[in-house]
Amino acid sequence: NAGVTQTPKFRILKIGQSMTLQCAQDMNHNYMYWYRQDPGMGLKLIYYSVGAGITDKGEVPNGYNVSRSTTEDFPLRLELAAPSQTSVYFCASSLLVQGGQPQHFGDGTRLSIL
Amino acid sequence: GENVEQHPSTLSVQEGDSAVIKCTYSDSASNYFPWYKQELGKGPQLIIDIRSNVGEKKDQRIAVTLNKTAKHFSLHITETQPEDSAVYFCAASIPDRGSTLGRLYFGRGTQLTVWP
Repeated sequence: NAGVTQTPKFRILKIGQSMTLQCAQDMNHNYMYWYRQDPGMGLKLIYYSVGAGITDKGEVPNGYNVSRSTTEDFPLRLELAAPSQTSVYFCASSLLVQGGQPQHFGDGTRLSIL
Repeated sequence: GENVEQHPSTLSVQEGDSAVIKCTYSDSASNYFPWYKQELGKGPQLIIDIRSNVGEKKDQRIAVTLNKTAKHFSLHITETQPEDSAVYFCAASIPDRGSTLGRLYFGRGTQLTVWP
């Protein structure tokens, strides 16, 4: 199993541009998550999904959109890139979390908005 | 939602010494507490976790303790090695409460440096 795969690994955008960060998992996990990590801070939840067709906002959803058309894929869309969105973005997945289950992370996408 | 505080933010130890990282949480309903290690340029990797019905768990040089009454949990690394150098995150999870289902709340991380 490849686990959680994120593409691209690095990207530089100009202010106002849009892009989609890709995330795919091959573990048949029903839960998927998007986090952003700013320097010296923990991970902040942007959006999450409990299954195909179901998404919900996390702590910092403004400026982002998601979709979940399949179990495997959970893309994150930035419509109008702003400098405040410069960050490292991590996708994660887990099984049903009743009683708590670990989340498995990808290696991140490092995004700079200039 | 849950609030997780983590201390210290940086920790330097000599190789062979022990390292302790502490976290507190605010919601007494939290029942799952994982610890993640993040190496430079990589995503967080689970290293150990503990559930609320257990007070202590050990895996080789790594141990985690949980005090539900005080709402704090700690990571203990013994006989530290240079390859233990990384950022460590604690997290807490609350059971099914509708919109909070499945969410982990993370501390801000501890940069551990082990000097040879």
